[in-house]
Amino acid sequence: KAGVTQTPRYLIKTRGQQVTLSCSPISGHRSVSWYQQTPGQGLQFLFEYFSETQRNKGNFPGRFSGRQFSNSRSEMNVSTLELGDSALYLCASSVGGRRMLREQYFGPGTRLTVT
Amino acid sequence: QQQVKQSPQSLIVQKGGISIINCAYENTAFDYFPWYQQFPGKGPALLIAIRPDVSEKKEGRFTISFNKSAKQFSLHIMDSQPGDSATYFCAASKGTTDSWGKLQFGAGTQVVVTP
Repeated sequence: KAGVTQTPRYLIKTRGQQVTLSCSPISGHRSVSWYQQTPGQGLQFLFEYFSETQRNKGNFPGRFSGRQFSNSRSEMNVSTLELGDSALYLCASSVGGRRMLREQYFGPGTRLTVT
Repeated sequence: QQQVKQSPQSLIVQKGGISIINCAYENTAFDYFPWYQQFPGKGPALLIAIRPDVSEKKEGRFTISFNKSAKQFSLHIMDSQPGDSATYFCAASKGTTDSWGKLQFGAGTQVVVTP
């Protein structure tokens, strides 16, 4: 099976702009979780989508949003970018529908730089 | 407030030695504890995971020890190799349906294996 893919891999944006990141999960996985990784804060949970519904959300401002499509692909959007949004954005997929199948598999991430 | 505390922040071990990384948690609602390995420029890769009904789990050179009463778990890397040089993260998630996809990570341990 192909792994989790994320596009684009690298992105440079200017403060105030918005950005959309894309994630394609492993075939058959219905859950996609998003994380932000920075040197200072580590890995922080953004949100999780399962069957097109947001199932959980982390402590991030409303500028961070996401969605999931019927084919389980997911996008996250950050509006009004701030310098502090510079980070590696990771998505992870899992089967999603069973408590005992909770393994999350990460993609390579999108490196976002805000200038 | 970090819900999973990881130590040490970094460690250096000689080739063939044992690397030991410890994690502690407070929330007894956590019921799934995975470990991830991350190389520079890559997404985290799932190494091994454990649930509280098991005290130890071994996969190849990697072993998780779990102490439910102390709310601690640890990763042992036996016969450490230079290729094991990476950052290791412990994580935890709760057992409720809306929490399966939310991993809470420790701060990470940078492991360097010297030849």
